[in-house]
Amino acid sequence: EAQVTQNPRYLITVTGKKLTVTCSQNMNHEYMSWYRQDPGLGLRQIYYSMNVEVTDKGDVPEGYKVSRKEKRNFPLILESPSPNQTSLYFCASSFISSGSEQFFGPGTRLTVL
Amino acid sequence: DQQVKQNSPSLSVQEGRISILNCDYTNSMFDYFLWYKKYPAEGPTFLISISSIKDKNEDGRFTVFLNKSAKHLSLHIVPSQPGDSAVYFCAARALNFGNEKLTFGTGTRLTIIP
Repeated sequence: EAQVTQNPRYLITVTGKKLTVTCSQNMNHEYMSWYRQDPGLGLRQIYYSMNVEVTDKGDVPEGYKVSRKEKRNFPLILESPSPNQTSLYFCASSFISSGSEQFFGPGTRLTVL
Repeated sequence: DQQVKQNSPSLSVQEGRISILNCDYTNSMFDYFLWYKKYPAEGPTFLISISSIKDKNEDGRFTVFLNKSAKHLSLHIVPSQPGDSAVYFCAARALNFGNEKLTFGTGTRLTIIP
């Protein structure tokens, strides 16, 4: 089954404790992206990757890191989480082409105390 | 600065009737528009899209209309069914080689009343 998976689905942590949210897709997509969803703000892009070893900042990259060592995986790293990073996070992937829709993972709800 | 706006946070429609969800945008560089549907505890799922060179696209019960001069698009669902109850996000992509970024609206919660 074609899908984007994320782990964990739910996470409660404390300020400053490094964490990683994993994202994996099995559709051989070149493009992968992380979004966060906050009330009243829709989904906003954090980081994206056009292919292996090619990553760049989105609209709200502060406090986050990513890596793309393999085509299928695109982990999101919070080196020192803060309460303002409490949010719902979505990973997405797609082919790079005009008219290609993005497929989203199920989401990771993160709470930073 | 909200470049994609969905001004109705919620909408209730009787089963069998037409649901019309609206979306406005401000960036004239947007070239592709999409609607996503989201159920609780799930990620958004793609519903239907339209290129800026078209003004209408149909897929079964779902039709998207694009009015470029008004910078407005709408999603029509006919007939509405209980399973259509979800949050609907309008999204847009700008001509920008190097990033397939989608800019999302804030969503409209659609409730279909049996």
